[in-house]
Amino acid sequence: ETVLTQSPATLSLSPGERATLSCRASQSVSTYLAWYQQKPGQAPRLLIYDASNRATGIPARFSGSGSGTDFSLTISSLEPEDFAVYYCQQRIKWPPTFGQGTKLEIK
Amino acid sequence: EVQLVESGGGLVQPGGSLRLSCEASGFTFSNYWMSWVRQTPGKGLEWVANIKQDGSERYYVDSVRGRFTISRDNAKDSLYLQMNSLRAEDTAVFYCARDNSAFEFGGQGTLVTVSS
Repeated sequence: ETVLTQSPATLSLSPGERATLSCRASQSVSTYLAWYQQKPGQAPRLLIYDASNRATGIPARFSGSGSGTDFSLTISSLEPEDFAVYYCQQRIKWPPTFGQGTKLEIK
Repeated sequence: EVQLVESGGGLVQPGGSLRLSCEASGFTFSNYWMSWVRQTPGKGLEWVANIKQDGSERYYVDSVRGRFTISRDNAKDSLYLQMNSLRAEDTAVFYCARDNSAFEFGGQGTLVTVSS
């Protein structure tokens, strides 16, 4: 199966700062990569699909980029509600797989 | 807005069975593939199974094939997961998700605990 490795495991930043999260695939997934945000006690929320497309209702401060094996999620200016765990996920190689997550915490 | 309400979880002994349900609203259920995804503290998020719009195709992760069965009732806008021969490692929160360009979750999930 395709392994997705996210880095860093934890990212400590302050509101207003820029956050860049990385996801590396063990084999090419083209642009079939999604990003999710999860807060405690809640289901994951889709942010980005197909590497760079924002899901409905997602603020413009969230952006995704990359193709092949290297991807990134950027939050241009952190809001207090953005501190959460973020997961990447690929859907082109069976079975669909998720990364282990990056915890974005308040510094 | 995608709304999904999972139910049916609980405590079950190893080797036992459970049937999870997911009631969908806010979209035309019969137009979409649907999936079950589970989450554990140890293994994180794991896709479990999915089913085509008309139920004619179903796919499973290796670890549950032969033990779990996904099904749907489009007349009731509902998705199901029949889980048999449950193991301790099946302990997780189970979410249903609309399977589109990515997974769209809409519920709180249902907790399945397999323990004696």
